Amino acid sequence: DIVMTQSPDSLAVSLGERATINCKSSQSVLYSSNNKYYLAWYQQKPGQPPKLLVHWASTRESGVPDRFSGSGSGTDFTLTINSLQAEDVAVYYCQQYYRSPQTFGQGTKVEI
Amino acid sequence: QVQLQESGPGLVKPSETLSLTCTVSGGSISSYYWSWIRQPPGKGLEWIGYIYYSGSASYNPSLKSRVTISVDTSKNQFSLKLRSVTAADTAVYYCARERTSLFDNWGQGTLVTVSS
Repeated sequence: DIVMTQSPDSLAVSLGERATINCKSSQSVLYSSNNKYYLAWYQQKPGQPPKLLVHWASTRESGVPDRFSGSGSGTDFTLTINSLQAEDVAVYYCQQYYRSPQTFGQGTKVEI
Repeated sequence: QVQLQESGPGLVKPSETLSLTCTVSGGSISSYYWSWIRQPPGKGLEWIGYIYYSGSASYNPSLKSRVTISVDTSKNQFSLKLRSVTAADTAVYYCARERTSLFDNWGQGTLVTVSS
C-alpha cells in the first residue's frame, strides 16, 4: 500500500493567518501518461463526513473557496489555507488515488 | 444533488456479521462506483471497498477475506457485510460515491460498535 504521512498532526493558527499542511507519499503518485498527480485533500468538520476540497493535487472542487490551494510535486504535497476563517476549523486529510487501495493520511487538526 | 444514507444495527456482537445498507436518492445508482469507508473513533479513514452497478466489486486487501459488498439497483441501494467482527471493527461507517477513485459525495455515517 502507498503510505501517506501528514505533518504536523495539529496546528493552531490565528484568524486571518495562513495554515500550511504537508503530505508525503511513500512512492510517486504521478501518472506519467497524463502528467497528473493522483492526490486529493478532504476537510472533515466535527460530526460531519469528509468533504472533497482538492483533486489532481491542485484543482479545487466547485464551490470551494479560493483561500484553499493545493500544490506539490514528486512525493511532497501541501494544502494551504490563506486567511484562515473560523469555519475552517477541521481535520484535513490527504488521499492518494493512484493505486488501489486508496489510502489516506492520518489527518491534521487545524485550530484557532 | 445525490444524497446517501446509511442504515443498520449500531451494535454487533463479536464474531458476528456487520450488515449495513446505503440508500442513494436524488440520482441513479446505475452509474459511478459506490464505496464504503470507515473511521474508528478519533482515528483516520480506511477504504473498505467499492461496487459498480453491474455488480463488479473491489476490496481493500486488508479486509478482503471478510467483506462482501453488493448492489440492488431496483432499490437504489448497496450493502456491506463484514464477517467475524472484533472490537477493532468499531467505527463510523460511511458510504460514498466514488468518482475516478475520489470520494465526492458522502453519507452522514453510522457508528457501529462491536461489543457483547
